[in-house]
Amino acid sequence: GNSVTQMEGPVTLSEEAFLTINCTYTATGYPSLFWYVQYPGEGLQLLLKATKADDKGSNKGFEATYRKETTSFHLEKGSVQVSDSAVYFCARRGDSGGYQKVTFGTGTKLQVIP
Amino acid sequence: DTGVSQDPRHKITKRGQNVTFRCDPISEHNRLYWYRQTLGQGPEFLTYFQNEAQLEKSRLLSDRFSAERPKGSFSTLEIQRTEQGDSAMYLCASSFTGGASGANVLTFGAGSRLTVL
Repeated sequence: GNSVTQMEGPVTLSEEAFLTINCTYTATGYPSLFWYVQYPGEGLQLLLKATKADDKGSNKGFEATYRKETTSFHLEKGSVQVSDSAVYFCARRGDSGGYQKVTFGTGTKLQVIP
Repeated sequence: DTGVSQDPRHKITKRGQNVTFRCDPISEHNRLYWYRQTLGQGPEFLTYFQNEAQLEKSRLLSDRFSAERPKGSFSTLEIQRTEQGDSAMYLCASSFTGGASGANVLTFGAGSRLTVL
């Protein structure tokens, strides 16, 4: 089936450290891929997206590249801040035109310590 | 527009009671989705509407669950004869279709937390 697998947390990093959160997906085609973030006490927010192979989504210093050959969409940030502490969800939507449900990974909790 | 609104934010009920949640999507959005999220898990898809039509339902949605979007605007999710296993955060999201930037991106509400005693 169509699914999303992301690395388990929690991930604890010191401020200014490099972040990678791995995400892989299964698909028969080319789904749209997303990273959502959930800050403490808040709803899920879109962080970035990519809709086709080799696209790079970026926002707030975070980046993720749509890798068709490895079916991956890993999230990276060069220098994390305490304010980046949150739960990050990788997600996928559909393989082709028309609506198909968005499937989420289980989430990775990131804690950044000063 | 203040985004996606959900009400109530918290609901505590006894097993066997019925509960209803309401979602008001972003007014320009024609699609509305319900998800359920339990602690330590990602959101699980329950159902979605395009305008007033309910187009897909998950197998997670037992016959105790019913969702409506009667006028293509707000939606309600009702759970009848609640069970302890229904305790979760119920999330609503909306989106718009088309080719414009931002199409098909889900905007979530803050959620309605249900506790069944």
